[in-house]
Amino acid sequence: GQQVMQIPQYQHVQEGEDFTTYCNSSTTLSNIQWYKQRPGGHPVFLIQLVKSGEVKKQKRLTFQFGEAKKNSSLHITATQTTDVGTYFCAGANAGGTSYGKLTFGQGTILTVHP
Amino acid sequence: DGGITQSPKYLFRKEGQNVTLSCEQNLNHDAMYWYRQDPGQGLRLIYYSQIVNDFQKGDIAEGYSVSREKKESFPLTVTSAQKNPTAFYLCASSISSGRVNEQFFGPGTRLTVL
Repeated sequence: GQQVMQIPQYQHVQEGEDFTTYCNSSTTLSNIQWYKQRPGGHPVFLIQLVKSGEVKKQKRLTFQFGEAKKNSSLHITATQTTDVGTYFCAGANAGGTSYGKLTFGQGTILTVHP
Repeated sequence: DGGITQSPKYLFRKEGQNVTLSCEQNLNHDAMYWYRQDPGQGLRLIYYSQIVNDFQKGDIAEGYSVSREKKESFPLTVTSAQKNPTAFYLCASSISSGRVNEQFFGPGTRLTVL
């Protein structure tokens, strides 16, 4: 079945440093979504990427979808303490009939030291 | 307020007992999902439902059962057959099952089996 691998599992940064998490799928994706889960909270949707090579920005966050639609990355510029949490990628398989079904990566736990 | 509610927030049960977790949404979403989250792992799909009176097994359905008798409700029963039921359970919904859409998550239920 489809597998989505995400690295690193943990990342500790000093406030102001940049942060990147990477996501790789074993199969071609129709789209990829990113979620953030604050400590003790539930995942909250950040963005969805659909097109090959797509790049989207949300303030200090930059999301990329690979040309082959099998990998993605999330980059945060100049981290702040409010960025703390676990970042998940979630991919939807291209083709098939399992509409709406997402496969989540293991998540990257980001800690920001003030 | 529109949203997804899960109850209770914390649940304790003795080994060998079945337990049902509640999930209700008033977003008028067609699709609903149940995930399990364990430390260091991503969200793993247990069951999902694209429409009332229909549901499909996810990646880890063994030991669980669901029903979808109403659009707004998707309860999950953790049966005694589930070998390691202690986990954080998240319910989610999305607007349409015909395409991949963002998922909205409830606050989760933390189940501890003693």
